[in-house]
Amino acid sequence: KAGVTQTPRYLIKTRGQQVTLSCSPISGHRSVSWYQQTPGQGLQFLFEYFSETQRNKGNFPGRFSGRQFSNSRSEMNVSTLELGDSALYLCASSLTQTSGNYEQYFGPGTRLTVT
Amino acid sequence: AQKVTQAQTEISVVEKEDVTLDCVYETRDTTYYLFWYKQPPSGELVFLIRRNSFDEQNEISGRYSWNFQKSTSSFNFTITASQVVDSAVYFCALRTRGANSKLTFGKGITLSVRP
Repeated sequence: KAGVTQTPRYLIKTRGQQVTLSCSPISGHRSVSWYQQTPGQGLQFLFEYFSETQRNKGNFPGRFSGRQFSNSRSEMNVSTLELGDSALYLCASSLTQTSGNYEQYFGPGTRLTVT
Repeated sequence: AQKVTQAQTEISVVEKEDVTLDCVYETRDTTYYLFWYKQPPSGELVFLIRRNSFDEQNEISGRYSWNFQKSTSSFNFTITASQVVDSAVYFCALRTRGANSKLTFGKGITLSVRP
């Protein structure tokens, strides 16, 4: 079974631009979560989608948004990029979203650099 | 609020040494789930183990073992006879139940195994 895939793997953008990252979960998985990883803040939860609905959201500004499609694929968008948005963005999928008792499987991440 | 503390930041050992990675967590919930993930240099987080708060049975899997103690809110991870391939960043994480359930990570421990 193929794992979680993320595209693109690397991205360089300029301040003020916007960016869209894509995540394809493991086949059959219906929940997708996004995380931001930086050296200073570590791994931080962005949001989680299940059945095309955002179920949970972390403490990030409204510039960060996402969506999930009917095939469970997900995209996240960051508008008006800032230097501090430079990070590794990780996507994780899980079979379901039930009571917390489930493991998530992570993709290789998208390395975003904002200049 | 929930919190995960990994007090060790970097550990360096020589191959074949045993090494224990510490994890202390905080939560007011009585039902919660603990995880360990490994992040090799490639960047992808690899799921290692999940433990439920109501299951304090410790586990051994090959060279890996886990020690979960609710009394001290600790969930430590031991690698026996470490190998160079074990070099990675190891994250402990916590998730509680409920609508706002999200995975909270510790800062990670960088393990270097020297030949």
